[in-house]
Amino acid sequence: GQQLNQSPQSMFIQEGEDVSMNCTSSSIFNTWLWYKQDPGEGPVLLIALYKAGELTSNGRLTAQFGITRKDSFLNISASIPSDVGIYFCAGQLLGQGAQKLVFGQGTRLTINP
Amino acid sequence: DAGVIQSPRHEVTEMGQEVTLRCKPISGHNSLFWYRQTMMRGLELLIYFNNNVPIDDSGMPEDRFSAKMPNASFSTLKIQPSEPRDSAVYFCASSRDSGVTFFGQGTRLTVV
Repeated sequence: GQQLNQSPQSMFIQEGEDVSMNCTSSSIFNTWLWYKQDPGEGPVLLIALYKAGELTSNGRLTAQFGITRKDSFLNISASIPSDVGIYFCAGQLLGQGAQKLVFGQGTRLTINP
Repeated sequence: DAGVIQSPRHEVTEMGQEVTLRCKPISGHNSLFWYRQTMMRGLELLIYFNNNVPIDDSGMPEDRFSAKMPNASFSTLKIQPSEPRDSAVYFCASSRDSGVTFFGQGTRLTVV
């Protein structure tokens, strides 16, 4: 089945630093999504990307849908303590009248104050 | 607006017991998904429904797992009999057509 390779698996940074993570796939996706999961909670959507080449920002977050439709990256600028959590990329497939997500393994972000 | 609602939030049960997890999707959403999350395997799609019909259950690990969606506002995931290796966080999620998928807060299942 489809798989997403997300990297890095974990990051330890200082508050205020920028963060970059990415996902690659052997398959083409219609949509790329980035989620964040806090402890004890479900994944919450951060950014959705719908077109190849699309670059989208949400506050300090910026994400891009790769031109080949097989990759995406997420950048976080000027990290703050509440950015701590696990970030997941997800590729969305359409078909059979429905759609489903394929998730990356996650990037665990730890911030040292 | 209410999000995806799951119950219970936590469940501790003994091996061999039946476990039923419940989900109420967001009103108006026509796709519903059950995921399982573990440290070892990450987020795995177990099954998804579209318009209350199971579309893909290839992720259901064994016959001990079953899922139903009797109507557009309710779904259950049942494990019978439960085993310790079923311990995980189970998420329900929903979406509308090709829209974004929203997740519930999850049910943390511990089988002892």
